[in-house]
Formats: sequence, C-alpha cells, structure tokens
Amino acid sequence: GDSVTQTEGLVTVTEGLPVMLNCTYQTAYSDVAFFWYVQYLNEAPKLLLRSSTDNKRTEHQGFHATLHKSSSSFHLQKSSVQLSDSALYYCALSDRGNMGYKLTFGTGTSLLVDP
Amino acid sequence: NAGVIQTPRHKVTGKGQEATLWCEPISGHSAVFWYRQTIVQGLEFLTYFRNQAPIDDSGMPKERFSAQMPNQSHSTLKIQSTQPQDSAVYLCASSPRNTLYFGEGSRLIVV
Repeated sequence: GDSVTQTEGLVTVTEGLPVMLNCTYQTAYSDVAFFWYVQYLNEAPKLLLRSSTDNKRTEHQGFHATLHKSSSSFHLQKSSVQLSDSALYYCALSDRGNMGYKLTFGTGTSLLVDP
Repeated sequence: NAGVIQTPRHKVTGKGQEATLWCEPISGHSAVFWYRQTIVQGLEFLTYFRNQAPIDDSGMPKERFSAQMPNQSHSTLKIQSTQPQDSAVYLCASSPRNTLYFGEGSRLIVV
C-alpha cells in the first residue's frame, strides 16, 4: 500500500530563518495528488497546499513545495519562518489523484519557531 | 458556515465499555472520513463513506470498531469493549471532492 514518511518528529528554527520539512512517499500509482496539512494547537488540521504536477512549485501562505516524482518527495519549505508558524505539519497523498479518495498521512512534524 | 461538528469533544470510558462518537459533516459534502490521531502513528485512516455508502474500511480494527452513516447529516464511530490502546483523538472529515475538512476531534481516554 501507499506510505508517507516524515523523518523529523520535531524541527526547531529561529524566527526569520528558513525551514524545510521533509516528506517522501511510496506508491504504485501514477495518478497521485499530494497535500500538506497544518494543525495548530487545539485546532483541526487544515489544508495548507496541494499538488499533483511533477516539478511544479506550489505556494500558499508563504510556504512552498515542489513535487519531485524522480525522488518521490514533496518537501515543504519557507524562506523566513514566523512565530505563528509553530504547529504540527502533515504530509499526505491520495492515490486517485483528484478523485476524492482517502488520504494517507505521514506521522507529522512539529515545527517550533523560537524568538 | 459551520464546519464539521464532532461530539463529544472528550470522553473517558472504562476498559471494556462501549464508546460512540458522532460526526456531523459539512452540508453538501459527499464524502465522510474517520481518522485516528496519536503522537506515535500520526493520522491513521479508519474508514470512509461516499454518498452515505461505505467505500473503504481497510483501516478499521475489524472486531471492535464499526462505523455507520444512516443519513447525509451524520456518521457514527462505535468502539466496543474499549481497550487502553484505543485512547486517541478520533477525527472526522468531510470532503466535497479532494480536500478534507476536519472537525476538532473527539478525544477518547480509556482507563
């Protein structure tokens, strides 16, 4: 079956510095969509950004990610983090592209931004 | 515009007891998903419905977990004979197509 790997459980970054959260995946399907969800403390997870196009940069709220099928990765990046970015970030894939099937999530990465 | 509503928000139950969790999806969304959230496993898929029909329950522990969607306005997740390892946050999400809109979850603690 599908799997999503987020190797870092906790990433700590100083405010104003860049950050990259890693996400790699395994799937046997070719029509796949990828997502980053963010969960702030005591809130529901919500969509941050999504992509299904290889080598195309997707941006939202200052974050960006590029799907690289050659390396099976969809890393999340931001050039200058803010204190308000502290949250739990989940990478996910859907192996039916945009057909609205279930999402397979990684274990999540907690981002802690220090002042 | 109300989001996904989950009740109860917190539930403490004794080992061996039954727990029922409720979800009211966003009106007009055709799909409803159940996930279990733990620190170790992250978000684990349990089951989902589309237009009230069960589509995929591959993540459900077969013996004690069951889910239903009797009408388009609510879904239930029932756990029989609860065990301490069932302690988790259970998240419901609804979707009009390919974006999941999550509720705030039901935190289940089995003592």
